[in-house]
Amino acid sequence: DSGVTQTPKHLITATGQRVTLRCSPRSGDLSVYWYQQSLDQGLQFLIQYYNGEERAKGNILERFSAQQFPDLHSELNLSSLELGDSALYFCASSVAGAPRGYTFGSGTRLTVV
Amino acid sequence: AQTVTQSQPEMSVQEAETVTLSCTYDTSESDYYLFWYKQPPSRQMILVIRQEAYKQQNATENRFSVNFQKAAKSFSLKISDSQLGDAAMYFCAYRSSSGTYKYIFGTGTRLKVLA
Repeated sequence: DSGVTQTPKHLITATGQRVTLRCSPRSGDLSVYWYQQSLDQGLQFLIQYYNGEERAKGNILERFSAQQFPDLHSELNLSSLELGDSALYFCASSVAGAPRGYTFGSGTRLTVV
Repeated sequence: AQTVTQSQPEMSVQEAETVTLSCTYDTSESDYYLFWYKQPPSRQMILVIRQEAYKQQNATENRFSVNFQKAAKSFSLKISDSQLGDAAMYFCAYRSSSGTYKYIFGTGTRLKVLA
């Protein structure tokens, strides 16, 4: 157990639907990062939050949004889902500055049918 | 913009032998971090080793070591005494020392370990 908890582990939904992925960071970590990994590809950075505020955006679609709550957990909302959104979505957390890198969660496997 | 390139989509190694995975990157920054992550079939991302660019000494972690050539922008991973449990996807990642701390990942190398 890495200390970063992602739920659900698997999600199957239809095109056009909306889903919410949840992440609880490791205790003490203020930064949360979301990444998308399409089939057998590298991870693509989506968005970063630090202590409730958005810090950086990557290649995140307008149909996607995220937030970090006062208790530091984060949610990634994906709407108007398309087949191409099927991927593994990782959350990671770190202390400020991330000197030793991130701790990743085990990911949420999203399948859009 | 920074880029990370892993030119070996797949590698094989005999159990107990040594294998080296290649990674090159491009950046105009002088201070940054480099990482190797392992992704086994469970899909969990596991940190293998990290290197700080300002340190000339190559990082080592048990059977894992890196060859960091800053001028050449090369960061290879050497796995010694390969074990069946080393079979996985290996990703090289770059991270700036300032700013957003986002990672830029390479496309990965699939390592097969042959018994």
